Amino acid sequence: DAGITQSPRYKITETGRQVTLMCHQTWSHSYMFWYRQDLGHGLRLIYYSAAADITDKGEVPDGYVVSRSKTENFPLTLESATRSQTSVYFCASSGIAGLNEQFFGPGTRLTVL
Amino acid sequence: SQQGEEDPQALSIQEGENATMNCSYKTSINNLQWYRQNSGRGLVHLILIRSNEREKHSGRLRVTLDTSKKSSSLLITASRAADTASYFCATEQETSGSRLTFGEGTQLTVNP
Repeated sequence: DAGITQSPRYKITETGRQVTLMCHQTWSHSYMFWYRQDLGHGLRLIYYSAAADITDKGEVPDGYVVSRSKTENFPLTLESATRSQTSVYFCASSGIAGLNEQFFGPGTRLTVL
Repeated sequence: SQQGEEDPQALSIQEGENATMNCSYKTSINNLQWYRQNSGRGLVHLILIRSNEREKHSGRLRVTLDTSKKSSSLLITASRAADTASYFCATEQETSGSRLTFGEGTQLTVNP
């Protein structure tokens, strides 16, 4: 049972490069989320999606782009990576807002040199 | 500013003891959730308490919610070394729809 997966698990890139982080869930959950977690801190919401083709900004969206053409996939793209985007990125999904918990992927550790 | 703030930031106890973590928030909520994160892993949902509930239990976990004080506590009874992890509270605010706002977390260490 795959649940929610993220790829790659680890990524090293250089400043200015475009990077795409993938997220895939097998539950057909409506809601999907992208968070970043900086060392020793909590999670901050980057973008979220209520359904296919519906996305909205979270707390820290600058420098990121998302799309959701299919319910099960929610890729996150860093258009021109910066060192401040070095972080661990978590994808999550949820079935019903206000009633269900969020299920998290294992995370992608991104280092921008 | 953070919606949820945990207290303490770090807690170290012996196996068998109880661990209590607190969370405060600023605005009205639909529900409050607690999550656990083991080192280097994703978050795992522990328990959800709705704004009209005051207490909830799940195994060794007990969560209370005081909406008048905008605070919640998570009690882990008879702790085990395997409970060592970071614990986060997350609030779903009335005005935020499905989004959760996470606190900074409490690092719990349970010594064998």
